Amino acid sequence: DQQVKQNSPSLSVQEGRISILNCDYTNSMFDYFLWYKKYPAEGPTFLISISSIKDKNEDGRFTVFLNKSAKHLSLHIVPSQPGDSAVYFCAASAGGSNYKLTFGKGTLLTVNP
Amino acid sequence: DTAVSQTPKYLVTQMGNDKSIKCEQNLGHDTMYWYKQDSKKFLKIMFSYNNKELIINETVPNRFSPKSPDKAHLNLHINSLELGDSAVYFCASTRGPGRNTEAFFGQGTRLTVV
Repeated sequence: DQQVKQNSPSLSVQEGRISILNCDYTNSMFDYFLWYKKYPAEGPTFLISISSIKDKNEDGRFTVFLNKSAKHLSLHIVPSQPGDSAVYFCAASAGGSNYKLTFGKGTLLTVNP
Repeated sequence: DTAVSQTPKYLVTQMGNDKSIKCEQNLGHDTMYWYKQDSKKFLKIMFSYNNKELIINETVPNRFSPKSPDKAHLNLHINSLELGDSAVYFCASTRGPGRNTEAFFGQGTRLTVV
């Protein structure tokens, strides 16, 4: 039962263009969402997050958009750089005192010079 | 200086053996976790400890036993290893058990059971 879905296993974009990574979720209890970036042979590193009380959060070249009615979020990277090439995981957590992340399968982003 | 460090990075062992993976964090965090990334690439939580107390225990076989000697360390011991245990195991930590706090991950331990 995949509660967090990243339906695109891979995405390839040109340097300087926009990268859009998508994520869908099914659990209505999720109210906090995060994006993690992972390079090969390394652990995931936190990129950006958004609470369900917002619909947009921006940090430099990274923006996350949340559409609660559609249970959909997206990560925009503008402009994309070759160093952004990595696997991007979408994660979500539900209300409550214990912090448990539910991850998607990840999307491999390749930014071509 | 690595924030969350796991040892070993790679572990190859035979079925039926018992093995341990160690994790240490130097961030002063109160809460630590074990996640498993299986062959289908899903990262799934296994356990969480807050100040040495177990707070999350997902449906993991009893062969897996976490131990937290202090809040900076969380080890994972696996008895009677099976082929299906082959995966990458990630340790992580957060400031506390509550939400809205980012998790820092170790580099992972790739376990291969042959």
